[in-house]
Amino acid sequence: EDQVTQSPEALRLQEGESSSLNCSYTVSGLRGLFWYRQDPGKGPEFLFTLYSAGEEKEKERLKATLTKKESFLHITAPKPEDSATYLCAVQAGNDMRFGAGTRLTVKP
Amino acid sequence: GAGVSQTPSNKVTEKGKYVELRCDPISGHTALYWYRQSLGQGPEFLIYFQGTGAADDSGLPNDRFFAVRPEGSVSTLKIQRTERGDSAVYLCASSLRGGGPYEQYFGPGTRLTVT
Repeated sequence: EDQVTQSPEALRLQEGESSSLNCSYTVSGLRGLFWYRQDPGKGPEFLFTLYSAGEEKEKERLKATLTKKESFLHITAPKPEDSATYLCAVQAGNDMRFGAGTRLTVKP
Repeated sequence: GAGVSQTPSNKVTEKGKYVELRCDPISGHTALYWYRQSLGQGPEFLIYFQGTGAADDSGLPNDRFFAVRPEGSVSTLKIQRTERGDSAVYLCASSLRGGGPYEQYFGPGTRLTVT
């Protein structure tokens, strides 16, 4: 059965303190791995799609990487506005299977 | 429209009642998805439409749940004989095409509370 595990569950950083979020997955026939950002009371907001091991994508302070077993979301010099829950999802068939997310808090 | 819209934003109903949740996808998106999200968890897949037909309904938890998309645009998720365990945020997403892996764009969700 497809499984997605995100760690840590929660992460508190000081503004400017870089770190990484982990997404470990077990899936047969990965077609794509997705990262989303979710703010309280809102729907998930699309960030990145990664298709194959070795691929990397960047957007502002965020960089996503992918291996055959896991993906990392690297946050460089975060700001308070980066505070949110970050969700990872894998797609093998028609649907996306999500992890439980990492709740990130960035303190000024 | 500019994004996926969902109505109502909040719905409180009594146990045993029937509810309908509406989703209006991004114009031109042929694929539409319904998810359910419980507190502290990621979204859980319910059903996927390609055009007017339900291409995959394997995530519907039981036969109290049903969804339609009669004209290939707006979709309605219907829940009969609601139970307290149905309380969650119901999210709708759309993508340009189905069959994946295409990014899905989510609406703000409908928070359903069954008392």
